Amino acid sequence: SAVISQKPSRDICQRGTSLTIQCQVDSQVTMMFWYRQQPGQSLTLIATANQGSEATYESGFVIDKFPISRPNLTFSTLTVSNMSPEDSSIYLCSVGPAGETQYFGPGTRLLVL
Amino acid sequence: AQKVTQAQTEISVVEKEDVTLDCVYETRDTTYYLFWYKQPPSGELVFLIRRNSFDEQNEISGRYSWNFQKSTSSFNFTITASQVVDSAVYFCALSEARGYGGATNKLIFGTGTLLAVQP
Repeated sequence: SAVISQKPSRDICQRGTSLTIQCQVDSQVTMMFWYRQQPGQSLTLIATANQGSEATYESGFVIDKFPISRPNLTFSTLTVSNMSPEDSSIYLCSVGPAGETQYFGPGTRLLVL
Repeated sequence: AQKVTQAQTEISVVEKEDVTLDCVYETRDTTYYLFWYKQPPSGELVFLIRRNSFDEQNEISGRYSWNFQKSTSSFNFTITASQVVDSAVYFCALSEARGYGGATNKLIFGTGTLLAVQP
């Protein structure tokens, strides 16, 4: 299984600011995913990030709010823009080829005041 | 549309008891994958098992066992002789299939079951 790291592990931010979360994988992967887990809730897919193409966003998530970069096969970033308290969540990246097991990073705990 | 239901929001057991976590799924696809993940209080998501729709054989791994029944669209998870370290939120998930029967890796999660094992 891939080893996935995320930075930062947690942060406290003021409303109206933006935070960029980094996801690093120890091997090259085609597909990377970003999930959001709101407090006490399940995980919801934000977008799929493939290297060399625009991210594919799920219903309810837009690029202006959650811009994603995927500069290479081992790295991706998710930015949470113009934050509000409702953005307080755990953000997780994951990797895994189609049909195979998806492995998750440790998550980034975000609190917006 | 795909859906995963975990009807048990919270379960509390005493150490050494057996416990079963229920998972019911809905999908129109013939090819799909089911997963169980564990999320301890630290927050990371730990992969436990993956099962494809063509393999209904039950699986046992140590104290963990899984019962996959396509007839009832269920994929239940049993912990035998539970331990305090088993305390976590457990998620069942379904991978969405493409229209032509393949599989993407978009995971659809249930709402999770919080398992509390008391000493």
